[in-house]
Amino acid sequence: DTAVSQTPKYLVTQMGNDKSIKCEQNLGHDTMYWYKQDSKKFLKIMFSYNNKELIINETVPNRFSPKSPDKAHLNLHINSLELGDSAVYFCASSPPSGVSTDTQYFGPGTRLTVL
Amino acid sequence: GENVEQHPSTLSVQEGDSAVIKCTYSDSASNYFPWYKQELGKRPQLIIDIRSNVGEKKDQRIAVTLNKTAKHFSLHITETQPEDSAVYFCAARTWGYGNKLVFGAGTILRVKS
Repeated sequence: DTAVSQTPKYLVTQMGNDKSIKCEQNLGHDTMYWYKQDSKKFLKIMFSYNNKELIINETVPNRFSPKSPDKAHLNLHINSLELGDSAVYFCASSPPSGVSTDTQYFGPGTRLTVL
Repeated sequence: GENVEQHPSTLSVQEGDSAVIKCTYSDSASNYFPWYKQELGKRPQLIIDIRSNVGEKKDQRIAVTLNKTAKHFSLHITETQPEDSAVYFCAARTWGYGNKLVFGAGTILRVKS
């Protein structure tokens, strides 16, 4: 009954590989997000989707490509992984418009280590 | 765009004392200010939030105050307990930009017993 879930929890891979992280929410929320938390714990938004439509796209290398097959899922694909991509990636979601679009609920995070 | 500064970066208090963490924001159009607590290896979890039409909000030992004129908001934790030890993040959201939250850099709170 986990609200926002991510897989995998840990991901260790070599430089140059391509990897994906999956996120699912069962809260009925319209909006989903990807955040990156670096080694200094700084949390920065990368992308946001509302009803499968991209609405926030921060300055992120185009090696990162989000995909939302439906409003309950937001996946993150990363091509040609680099050492600097090592971080914890959090998925989050927030309720539909008109209810409250404020509170964001975070998933458990995926710790990505690029060797 | 919005910029959020958070102080202090680390805070040590004795169990039972109060802790105060302060944040300032740059965009006067920001209208929502949540606080998240993140324990080691865990996800950030919302502990309290405040909207721009309110000056103060309390929830048991936790309170948040907002000064819109000065563009700063603060988290107050009273009667701290060891389980309050964590990293605390403030954030600000400007309406109309996809519910984008801009986070402060975080405060490591250590409660010594």
